[in-house]
Amino acid sequence: DAGITQSPRHKVTETGTPVTLRCHQTENHRYMYWYRQDPGHGLRLIHYSYGVKDTDKGEVSDGYSVSRSKTEDFLLTLESATSSQTSVYFCAISEARGVPGANYGYTFGSGTRLTVV
Amino acid sequence: KNEVEQSPQNLTAQEGEFITINCSYSVGISALHWLQQHPGGGIVSLFMLSSGKKKHGRLIATINIQEKHSSLHITASHPRDSAVYICAVGLPGSARQLTFGSGTQLTVLP
Repeated sequence: DAGITQSPRHKVTETGTPVTLRCHQTENHRYMYWYRQDPGHGLRLIHYSYGVKDTDKGEVSDGYSVSRSKTEDFLLTLESATSSQTSVYFCAISEARGVPGANYGYTFGSGTRLTVV
Repeated sequence: KNEVEQSPQNLTAQEGEFITINCSYSVGISALHWLQQHPGGGIVSLFMLSSGKKKHGRLIATINIQEKHSSLHITASHPRDSAVYICAVGLPGSARQLTFGSGTQLTVLP
């Protein structure tokens, strides 16, 4: 399984401050994702990356930006944190298994619990 | 838009019972994933299916592509199986993004 770590694990921040969450993988997986998990909404895609400097928006991208300057790191930035961004954030990678294009596994990070006060 | 529906939302069982969780989706998919999340914990991938059936220990996952339906079965359930089980689907050509169901909260009582 791919090694994937998120930092920090917990953060409390004030409204209006910028926040950056980091996701680090130990293998050269091409696809990386940021999801947020909220009660009543489940998991939703914020942004994803399909290579270095190649990123795209997901379902709930407003207020977030991402960067991927190295294969192993995918950063999520809340440009000006708001209370609606209080959530648990999960990074994930997908890795090909078996038939190319059809079979792929998913590995999630341990999550970052972010509270905006 | 692809919708992923899970049922039931909540399930309480006695230890040893056979458990089934269902997942239905609305459009053609490239793969379906079953995930497990313990309280306060991370998310673990249990299965990835594109056809047929897979088994791992006491867990069995099946998928019927024509009916757009998948089931997760747990045989001889145990209190340690208590968790949220999440169904997620990937669409063809979507950079492997997943669309998630809302999850099934399973509680297994001793």
